[in-house]
Amino acid sequence: EVQFLESGGGLVQPGGSLRLSCAGSGFTFNGYAMAWVRHSPVKGLEWVSSMDGSGLHTYYPDSVKDRFTISRDDSKNTLYLLLSSLRADDTALYYCAKPHTNWPFDAFEMWGQGTMVTVSS
Amino acid sequence: QSALTQPPSASGSLGQSVTISCTGTSNDVGRYTYVSWYQHHPGKAPKVLIYEVNKRPSGVPDRFSGSKSGNTASLTVSGLQADDEADYYCSSYAAISNYLFGSGTKVTVL
Repeated sequence: EVQFLESGGGLVQPGGSLRLSCAGSGFTFNGYAMAWVRHSPVKGLEWVSSMDGSGLHTYYPDSVKDRFTISRDDSKNTLYLLLSSLRADDTALYYCAKPHTNWPFDAFEMWGQGTMVTVSS
Repeated sequence: QSALTQPPSASGSLGQSVTISCTGTSNDVGRYTYVSWYQHHPGKAPKVLIYEVNKRPSGVPDRFSGSKSGNTASLTVSGLQADDEADYYCSSYAAISNYLFGSGTKVTVL
C-alpha cells in the first residue's frame, strides 16, 4: 500500500524557518512529480509547490515564491519543503501529494495525512 | 492568482442531487481541460473525485460527475448520502505554471 507520512511541523515564530518532510512507503519517489498543498480554515486548500519527475524544475505560487523551497532525496525516498520568512498566514496543515500523471500540475491522486505548521509569537 | 469562485455552501436531501459551480477565467478553467474536484473532510486527506473535467478515478462512484462550460465548471453529486457531507474544492491548471484551487463549498445533507 502506498503511503506518505509528513513530519516536521510545529510552532514557529514569525520570520522563522521550518523543514517539512514527506516519507514514502510502498512507493519510490524517483522519477515522479510531487507537490505540497496546504489547508487552513480561512483559505481552504492552497497549492504551495510542485516538482517535476526529474527534480530539475520547481514551481511556486507568488504567495510563497522566494520563501519556500521544495526538494527531494531519492536515496531516502523523501520529499522536503523548506519554509522560511514565515508569516501568520502560512499557518496551515501541509500535505504532500502525488499527481495522477507525471505532469506536475495534474490532479492529485495520492495524499499524506498532513503536518501542522503554526506561525505565532 | 485569485482562487476560483465557488458558492460557500450547498445542500440537498438524502437521495437528491446537488450541483456545485466553480467559476474561473479564460486563463484557467476556460482555457484548459485540467479541471479537478476534491472531497475534503477537514483534518483528513483530500480525495480526488473528478479529473480532466469529467473523468472519475477508479473507485469513485458514478454518482459524482463533472462538466464544464466556458469559464465555469460544475460538480454534480447524485443520490446524496450522509457521508457526502464534506467540503468540496475545484481546481484548475492556470497559465503560466500555476495551479489554482477553488474557494471551497460546504455540502450539507439534509
